[in-house]
Amino acid sequence: EVQLLESGGGLVQPGGSLRLSCVASEFTLSDYVMSWVRQAPGKGPEWVSAVSSSSLGDITYYVDSVKGRFTISRDGSKNTLYLQLSSLKADDTAIYYCARGGRDSSRDGMDVWGPGTPVTVSS
Amino acid sequence: DVVMTQSPLSLPVTLGQPASISCRSSQSLVHSSGNTYLSWFQQRPGQSPRRLIYQVSNRDSGVPDRFRGSGSVSEFTLEISRVEAEDVGVYYCMQGTHWVYTFGQGTRLEI
Repeated sequence: EVQLLESGGGLVQPGGSLRLSCVASEFTLSDYVMSWVRQAPGKGPEWVSAVSSSSLGDITYYVDSVKGRFTISRDGSKNTLYLQLSSLKADDTAIYYCARGGRDSSRDGMDVWGPGTPVTVSS
Repeated sequence: DVVMTQSPLSLPVTLGQPASISCRSSQSLVHSSGNTYLSWFQQRPGQSPRRLIYQVSNRDSGVPDRFRGSGSVSEFTLEISRVEAEDVGVYYCMQGTHWVYTFGQGTRLEI
């Protein structure tokens, strides 16, 4: 079954760091646009970051609010997507979802989502 | 960034009756490829979002045919022909044409 499973969330103090992981099953991550989407308590989803398919050169994209603080990456050998979070702020508190987007050059919306991993930034 | 504006934000409906959600974008969503990357998602309480519609009008596998997407350029609509109890949740439109991807504010469908 095609699926995604995130891990790595938790409680972290303001200014701290975390690394989120997302393991893919039954498909090859590098063939797709892969995104991280977060959802703060009681709010709608917010797209955070994406990496293009390898065929398009693994280009990375970020929403302005996380540029310079978050880094998306992918390990093809482990079929795993990562999101390195640093200089965390209270506003970063959310459930973080890993999601599969379009294949190759397609920009289709995300058709496979993980269950999410919660990140809480608090002292 | 492209702003996605949904209406209404709350949609009380009667079982068996139709429902309609509007989504407008601040820019054209027609990509240089010719495709229009507008998707609709459903989120039930406590669950991850689920894609229902992609590229304006294509239903995902397993999505009931009572769901229909339509529209073009910057105005889009999700229609449910006959609302069922399992349709309760929040619906979001999302554009993937322009980086950054952006979601609408959400429309809460309630019986």
